[in-house]
This record gives sequence, C-alpha cells and structure tokens, in this order.
Amino acid sequence: AQSVTQPDIHITVSEGASLELRCNYSYGATPYLFWYVQSPGQGLQLLLKYFSGDTLVQGIKGFEAEFKRSQSSFNLRKPSVHWSDAAEYFCAVGARAGNNRKLIWGLGTSLAVNP
Amino acid sequence: GAGVSQSPRYKVAKRGQDVALRCDPISGHVSLFWYQQALGQGPEFLTYFQNEAQLDKSGLPSDRFFAERPEGSVSTLKIQRTQQEDSAVYLCASSPTGGARTDTQYFGPGTRLTVL
Repeated sequence: AQSVTQPDIHITVSEGASLELRCNYSYGATPYLFWYVQSPGQGLQLLLKYFSGDTLVQGIKGFEAEFKRSQSSFNLRKPSVHWSDAAEYFCAVGARAGNNRKLIWGLGTSLAVNP
Repeated sequence: GAGVSQSPRYKVAKRGQDVALRCDPISGHVSLFWYQQALGQGPEFLTYFQNEAQLDKSGLPSDRFFAERPEGSVSTLKIQRTQQEDSAVYLCASSPTGGARTDTQYFGPGTRLTVL
C-alpha cells in the first residue's frame, strides 16, 4: 500500500540549531515528492519538491531536502532554525504518471523552536 | 485572484444539517482537489476535478459527500446530514495543469467544520 511515514511527531530545537525532519515513503515506483509547511490558521505552503534531476533540492526559507532512492527517503533539512519556523511540516508523495493525481500525506511533524 | 480562497473559514453545524463549502481556485488553474484534515492528522484526499470533470472521487467517505465544479472554476463540497465524525478542516487546492502528471498543488486556508 502507498504510504508516507514521518517518524517524529514532535521536535523541539533551539533557535540557530540545525534541523532534520525525516520522511520515508512506500510506493510502487519513485514518486514525486513534496514538503509543505502549515502554520496555525494558515493553508499549506509548498517548501520544495522533487520531480527529477539533482537529488538535493533547494526550497524557500532556507530549506533543502535530499532524495535517497535506496532508502526511500526525502528528509528535510535547515542549517539554522529561526523562531518563525515553528509550524507543522508535512511530507507528501504523488504519482509520476497515470490518472492518479492525488497526494498521499504523512501525519506531520510539529516543530517547536526555543529562543 | 492571488491565491486559493475558501469560504466560510469556519462553520458550525448541528448534527443532521446540510453544509456547503466553497472553493475559488487560482484563476486559470485546470485541476482542483479537495482534502479532509482531521485534528492531528495529515490531509486525506477526497476528490479531484480536471476542469468541470470529476475524474476521481475515490476518497469521498460516503454518499453524503458530494462535490461539483460546474463551470470548471469555483467548486462546492456539500455534506448532507452531517455527523460528528465529519468535523475536520476541509482543504481545497488547485494546480495549473491537467493531464497525466502530478503537479504542484496550491492550497487555500481551509474551512474548519465543527459538527455538534
């Protein structure tokens, strides 16, 4: 079955510290991969996506993610976290081809940032 | 418009009432999606439109849920005889392309439905 696993439900980091949020997927073939961020009362905002090419992708707000096919992972990283990064982060996958256009989502990781 | 808009932002319904949730996608976007997000969960797919055609409704949880996009832009998600388990945030997303390829989806702020 297709699924996305975000192993960490909640993470707390200090401002200025580095961050890595984990995402693993189970899919029939290599999917398209996305990271979204959701702040309270806000919609989901795209941070970055991987379709093809360089497996290290850069996104907005200083985030990057690395696709590792052998590990079925797409972990999100940021070298120095800011207090404004506190939010819920979701990893999602979608089919590369066919009429199945839906995204399959993880349960999310809630990030808290200590001053 | 600049982004996807949804109305109302909050809706409280008594059990058994019918509700209608509206989504205005980004102008010109071909594809439109509805997702349901329960508290503490990730979004769950409900249905997908390409223009006015509903190509996938596999995620609709019951026949009480109905969605339409009659002119290929604005969409309405209707829930009949609401139940407490329908309480969730309903998210609408649009993407610029149709066809057989997943594309970036742009999300609205959601409608928070509470069924008492």
